[in-house]
Amino acid sequence: IAGITQAPTSQILAAGRRMTLRCTQDMRHNAMYWYRQDLGLGLRLIHYSNTAGTTGKGEVPDGYSVSRANTDDFPLTLASAVPSQTSVYFCASSDSSNQPQHFGDGTRLSIL
Amino acid sequence: GQNIDQPTEMTATEGAIVQINCTYQTSGFNGLFWYQQHAGEAPTFLSYNVLDGLEEKGRFSSFLSRSKGYSYLLLKELQMKDSASYLCAVMDSNYQLIWGAGTKLIIKP
Repeated sequence: IAGITQAPTSQILAAGRRMTLRCTQDMRHNAMYWYRQDLGLGLRLIHYSNTAGTTGKGEVPDGYSVSRANTDDFPLTLASAVPSQTSVYFCASSDSSNQPQHFGDGTRLSIL
Repeated sequence: GQNIDQPTEMTATEGAIVQINCTYQTSGFNGLFWYQQHAGEAPTFLSYNVLDGLEEKGRFSSFLSRSKGYSYLLLKELQMKDSASYLCAVMDSNYQLIWGAGTKLIIKP
């Protein structure tokens, strides 16, 4: 079934540790996005990529990095996790930047 | 700054009609999206409006007035499975989505 796969589904992590959230899509979409969703707040864009080989900063990029080596994969790395990065992380993709975005099932991350 | 406002929570009765409003102030406008998100799940796309007027899709309709910075999502013949959060998002001049916090819709029998 075509779609977006995120891993892990959930993770508990000690502060200061490095963590990479994985995201893979098989729809051959050009654009990919990483959001965080916190209670009472809207989805906030962390980083995005309009096409393979390019990335851009969203609303809340500090403490996160991404890479887009190919069309399918868009990993998100927390270099040194802090408790304020506890959140649900969603990866999304779209055919182009002005098309509806399709979301993965999310990664629930807790930083202690 | 950019802002999307929608009610935090609404309650409606099974079989009835409910209207969820969204007002926005953004840097530019390239369309408005509505998504549905069941608890613990991913958002799923419902509708897209870029021109003024009403777009109908089955039991769901979405309306846009760009001059008023206003949209609503209309859900008819409510079913228990419609209990979810409904997210309004506006695409700004940089083609980035600005999201509202969502409206939690509770359906009662």
